[in-house]
Amino acid sequence: GQQLNQSPQSMFIQEGEDVSMNCTSSSIFNTWLWYKQDPGEGPVLLIALYKAGELTSNGRLTAQFGITRKDSFLNISASIPSDVGIYFCAGRSGNTPLVFGKGTRLSVIA
Amino acid sequence: NAGVTQTPKFQVLKTGQSMTLQCAQDMNHEYMSWYRQDPGMGLRLIHYSVGAGITDQGEVPNGYNVSRSTTEDFPLRLLSAAPSQTSVYFCASSYFGGYGYTFGSGTRLTVV
Repeated sequence: GQQLNQSPQSMFIQEGEDVSMNCTSSSIFNTWLWYKQDPGEGPVLLIALYKAGELTSNGRLTAQFGITRKDSFLNISASIPSDVGIYFCAGRSGNTPLVFGKGTRLSVIA
Repeated sequence: NAGVTQTPKFQVLKTGQSMTLQCAQDMNHEYMSWYRQDPGMGLRLIHYSVGAGITDQGEVPNGYNVSRSTTEDFPLRLLSAAPSQTSVYFCASSYFGGYGYTFGSGTRLTVV
């Protein structure tokens, strides 16, 4: 089946620092999504990307759909304590179910 | 505007018991799915449905059954619970071909 490699697995950063995480796939996707999961809750959609090369922002979050269609990146600028959580990338090709990465656990030190 | 509702929120089962995890959505979404989340494993697809009467297996279907008799409901049945099924279970839905799933808040299941 399709595999998504998400890195890093975890990050400890100081408040105010920028964060970068990425996801690579063994196959081509036509949609990339980024989700955030708060403790005890289900994942919530942050950003959706539909086109190779696309760069999309949502507040302090910016995500890019890689040109090869096999990768995506998420950046968080000027991190704050409420950014703590698990970030998941997800991808799909056609109408197949979403495939999720294993997540990046972000901890922010005030 | 309830979105995706999962019940129960917590459950403890003994090995060999059966139970049904409930999932209901009020957004008229055609697509519904069940994932399990285990530490370090991310979200793995158990079963999914593209509409009433249509279901299919995901990555880890063994030990679970599903049916979809209505658009709104997609229950997940554990036939004979095993400790390996201890996990957090999430139900998600979307419009068919939709780009983002709406997730429920999860059911935390412990099998002892």
